[in-house]
Amino acid sequence: QSALTQPASVSGSPGQSITISCTGTSSDVGGYNYVSWYQQHPGKAPKLMIYEVSNRPSGVSNRFSGSKSGNTASLTISGLQAEDEADYYCSSYTSSSTLEGVFGGGTKLTVL
Amino acid sequence: EVQLVESGGGLVQPGRSLRLSCAASGFTFDDYAMHWVRQAPGKGLEWVSGISWNSGSIGYADSVKGRFTISRDNAKNSLYLQMNSLRAEDTALYYCAKDMASSGWFLVDYWGQGTLVTVSS
Repeated sequence: QSALTQPASVSGSPGQSITISCTGTSSDVGGYNYVSWYQQHPGKAPKLMIYEVSNRPSGVSNRFSGSKSGNTASLTISGLQAEDEADYYCSSYTSSSTLEGVFGGGTKLTVL
Repeated sequence: EVQLVESGGGLVQPGRSLRLSCAASGFTFDDYAMHWVRQAPGKGLEWVSGISWNSGSIGYADSVKGRFTISRDNAKNSLYLQMNSLRAEDTALYYCAKDMASSGWFLVDYWGQGTLVTVSS
């Protein structure tokens, strides 16, 4: 149950685009399309931004998009806004025999 | 409106036990898997345990296996986490989380506000 690998921090200016990577293995990210992304502001509960690799829940801006290639998933935020500054976590289902999940270590997004 | 309200956290000595509860409302509870996720102060999210809609499939993180037990009571729309042999490293905010699927694909669409567990002498 090793954590998925994310960069500790990324930054961008308002209006720019950034991408956060999430690297796992064939037992998690690469093996299933059950990859999600969460946004967490300080002192708040996480919020689902992307599920099943690339699907957006109702109400989430279309500036947020997800993709996957092999064992690496990615979250792209386009047209950066100040309110996007937050911690972002990826997660993946990780077992076919028992119900298990794993998170990435989290990425701090700074909007310059 | 989906609501998940955790309770049962508090200050506990190492080696003691604590039982967390999560009261769910606003959705058909027995249609979905549920999870416990924790976050140590200043740290990232850690999946702790998950349970399918009918309790037929259950999983635990290696860090809590053998010490924690997840359960649910669909008649009471409630999720539980029995935590035994608590350690300092279990200190965290514990979130109750709803899966989007009945069997539990770890696609969490709703989170509670969390209950704080502090393990200290």
